Amino acid sequence: NAGVTQTPKFQVLKTGQSMTLQCAQDMNHNSMYWYRQDPGMGLRLIYYSASEGTTDKGEVPNGYNVSRLNKREFSLRLESAAPSQTSVYFCASGGHPRETQYFGPGTRLLVL
Amino acid sequence: AQSVTQLGSHVSVSEGALVLLRCNYSSSVPPYLFWYVQYPNQGLQLLLKYTTGATLVKGINGFEAEFKKSETSFHLTKPSAHMSDAAEYFCAVSPPRYSGGGADGLTFGKGTHLIIQP
Repeated sequence: NAGVTQTPKFQVLKTGQSMTLQCAQDMNHNSMYWYRQDPGMGLRLIYYSASEGTTDKGEVPNGYNVSRLNKREFSLRLESAAPSQTSVYFCASGGHPRETQYFGPGTRLLVL
Repeated sequence: AQSVTQLGSHVSVSEGALVLLRCNYSSSVPPYLFWYVQYPNQGLQLLLKYTTGATLVKGINGFEAEFKKSETSFHLTKPSAHMSDAAEYFCAVSPPRYSGGGADGLTFGKGTHLIIQP
């Protein structure tokens, strides 16, 4: 079991460029999540998906879009990157929404 | 709205000393509570969690936490610190209920960086 995998591990973008962060899980979880981690801010929820075909906004959704491609995969897209989106992005998955979430290794994104 | 407060962005203890990391939460109903650990350049790993039942919860690596409803606290402790415990620790609270239509994600505290002095 690989658990939760994320690609890429590191990315540098110029302001205005677009990119998609990929996430996959092999634990047959219904729920998947995208968080961003910034120094001194903890983790903040960007978007989540309770099940295949559904997505909902979290605390900080502006500037992002998501796609729940199937039960395993949940991608995060930045259409026009901004320096404020420089962060570490974590994908997570879980069964019941109140239960443990399992995290991927993260993607470090630098927007110049 | 739920919130989590972790007192102290940095905590320094000597190797072998007691570790105490503080977490207080606010929630309209008793939540599920979690402690996660993050080692440098890695993702988050579950240390322990409280759902229902026994209020003293034991986790991995010798850590434990006690849920105190009257104090809305879930402090993390370890009797004797080890150098390998140096990491960032996050307290988190679950959504207040499962509506069946959504999953709101965990609400995290801002984290406490644990430093172990030799």
